[in-house]
Amino acid sequence: SQQGEEDPQALSIQEGENATMNCSYKTSINNLQWYRQNSGRGLVHLILIRSNEREKHSGRLRVTLDTSKKSSSLLITASRAADTASYFCATGPMDSSYKLIFGSGTRLLVRP
Amino acid sequence: EPEVTQTPSHQVTQMGQEVILRCVPISNHLYFYWYRQILGQKVEFLVSFYNNEISEKSEIFDDQFSVERPDGSNFTLKIRSTKLEDSAMYFCASRDRGEKLFFGSGTQLSVL
Repeated sequence: SQQGEEDPQALSIQEGENATMNCSYKTSINNLQWYRQNSGRGLVHLILIRSNEREKHSGRLRVTLDTSKKSSSLLITASRAADTASYFCATGPMDSSYKLIFGSGTRLLVRP
Repeated sequence: EPEVTQTPSHQVTQMGQEVILRCVPISNHLYFYWYRQILGQKVEFLVSFYNNEISEKSEIFDDQFSVERPDGSNFTLKIRSTKLEDSAMYFCASRDRGEKLFFGSGTQLSVL
């Protein structure tokens, strides 16, 4: 089964608007993380939320977690052209302390 | 800021040849990973390595794959006999006792 599916697959917004990306997962988790990937580059960690947390903020990022629905959302407020990238959620499964399972990602385009 | 470094950035090989992808994780990190990303697709977990042994591996990580930490700094992924479908971007990642992964910039492997 696939763990961590984001939607939408692609999102195009105007600079200054907010961008919301959603992630659903299937198994019980210890934590959920969001990563960013610029084209052809490695992934960069953005934010982590633990399974006992419901919301977390970091700068212009806001993450929510609903473990009953097995879903999370990432909100980027006041987007900038430099936010253009792919965004992935990654889950740390409860039955594994070693691996992160990545979703399929949302490609965000912020138009100047 | 310390970073994970991967070499080479691009590797072209003929089908059936052996390749070794190299990584230097962050020096005080304890957990090491290989992920791969086929163009336009999700980031897939291959293997995790801790305390000088494989801690977890995915179905993709079959007998053609092996990992090694030959000294205190390098972490390598060997593909014994490459197939066309091994063409992908391979990412090395490491972490300390926290959950956040630090990724290298990747090696683009092209199997012809």
